[in-house]
Amino acid sequence: KAGVTQTPRYLIKTRGQQVTLSCSPISGHRSVSWYQQTPGQGLQFLFEYFSETQRNKGNFPGRFSGRQFSNSRSEMNVSTLELGDSALYLCASSQGRSYNEQFFGPGTRLTVL
Amino acid sequence: SQQGEEDPQALSIQEGENATMNCSYKTSINNLQWYRQNSGRGLVHLILIRSNEREKHSGRLRVTLDTSKKSSSLLITASRAADTASYFCATDEDTGFQKLVFGTGTRLLVSP
Repeated sequence: KAGVTQTPRYLIKTRGQQVTLSCSPISGHRSVSWYQQTPGQGLQFLFEYFSETQRNKGNFPGRFSGRQFSNSRSEMNVSTLELGDSALYLCASSQGRSYNEQFFGPGTRLTVL
Repeated sequence: SQQGEEDPQALSIQEGENATMNCSYKTSINNLQWYRQNSGRGLVHLILIRSNEREKHSGRLRVTLDTSKKSSSLLITASRAADTASYFCATDEDTGFQKLVFGTGTRLLVSP
């Protein structure tokens, strides 16, 4: 099976812009989770989607949003970018049960100038 | 916020030696998973141990879980230079949803 794919891999934006990141999960997986990784805060949970519904949300401002399509692919959007949004954004896919392993994609490196 | 603390923060060993990393967490969990990350790339899943398990093996990896102490350890035996990476523990709380809470990570350097 193909692994989790994320596009784009690298992105440079300026403050105030918005950005959309994409994640394609492993075939058959219905859950997609998003995480932000920064040197200061480490790995932080953003949100999780299962069958097109957001099931769980982390402690991030409303500028961070996401959605999931019927084919389980997911996008996350960040509006009004701030310098502090520079991070590695990782998505993970799983079958959706809390005891399932989560498999991560290679990440999207976002730099906000 | 991060739930787990990992110890040590950094570990430097020679090839062939064993590496042990420890993870402590705060709340009750459904399972605990260990991941490896090379140089800011994606996370590679290593092993999952459920809350009702005490020990699990996978190749050169041995994971233990002590739910009474809210702690876990990852042992890598006969380390290789290719094991150089950051290692993270992640807990999945017993909520029914998928949400991993990561530890702070251990940076492992294995020298030839």
